[in-house]
Amino acid sequence: GAVVSQHPSRVICKSGTSVKIECRSLDFQATTMFWYRQFPKQSLMLMATSNEGSKATYEQGVEKDKFLINHASLTLSTLTVTSAHPEDSSFYICSARVASGSRNIQYFGAGTRLSVL
Amino acid sequence: AQKITQTQPGMFVQEKEAVTLDCTYDTSDQSYGLFWYKQPSSGEMIFLIYQGSYDEQNATEGRYSLNFQKARKSANLVISASQLGDSAMYFCAMRPRSGSARQLTFGSGTQLTVLP
Repeated sequence: GAVVSQHPSRVICKSGTSVKIECRSLDFQATTMFWYRQFPKQSLMLMATSNEGSKATYEQGVEKDKFLINHASLTLSTLTVTSAHPEDSSFYICSARVASGSRNIQYFGAGTRLSVL
Repeated sequence: AQKITQTQPGMFVQEKEAVTLDCTYDTSDQSYGLFWYKQPSSGEMIFLIYQGSYDEQNATEGRYSLNFQKARKSANLVISASQLGDSAMYFCAMRPRSGSARQLTFGSGTQLTVLP
């Protein structure tokens, strides 16, 4: 299947710092990418839809100024957690959709485990 | 709005046996896609299998098959000849194939443990 690369896989930071997470589509172009957050033992929660060349669409309850999304090219979307606090500690995972005939399969990155001290 | 229900928080299966993971869904859309993903403890989400709502045959991918019963709105995943490496969290998901809200909706997941 298509490859989505996410970096870093794990980050530990101090409270108040900003953390940038990168999501790349390696062998296809992705006009749309998705950012999810997952708490332990729970399902994925969609945070925002990242659109190449335009503003991201955020889900209700997700702070736009807290979670900055930039989709500057057809292969790269970034999520920046600004002024991180311990409650932002979570597993963040990105995804990109690939059209294949009548199917649109969504492939995921390996995720980023963020720990804010 | 779509809703996915996975009623089995945890399942156990003996190695080499088959196991069925349940998934039911609710949607008002006529055209949609159903997906199963596997999430091992490492966290990555691995795409397993896809079923389109208008596909006449049940999808199969190697040891994975999808028992799609449209009238009952169920899309159960069947894993044949279970292996120890199949131990993971499994998520059922769906997405409408038209409209603006074409986002994946996930179920709560089923933790599968394969016993040696």
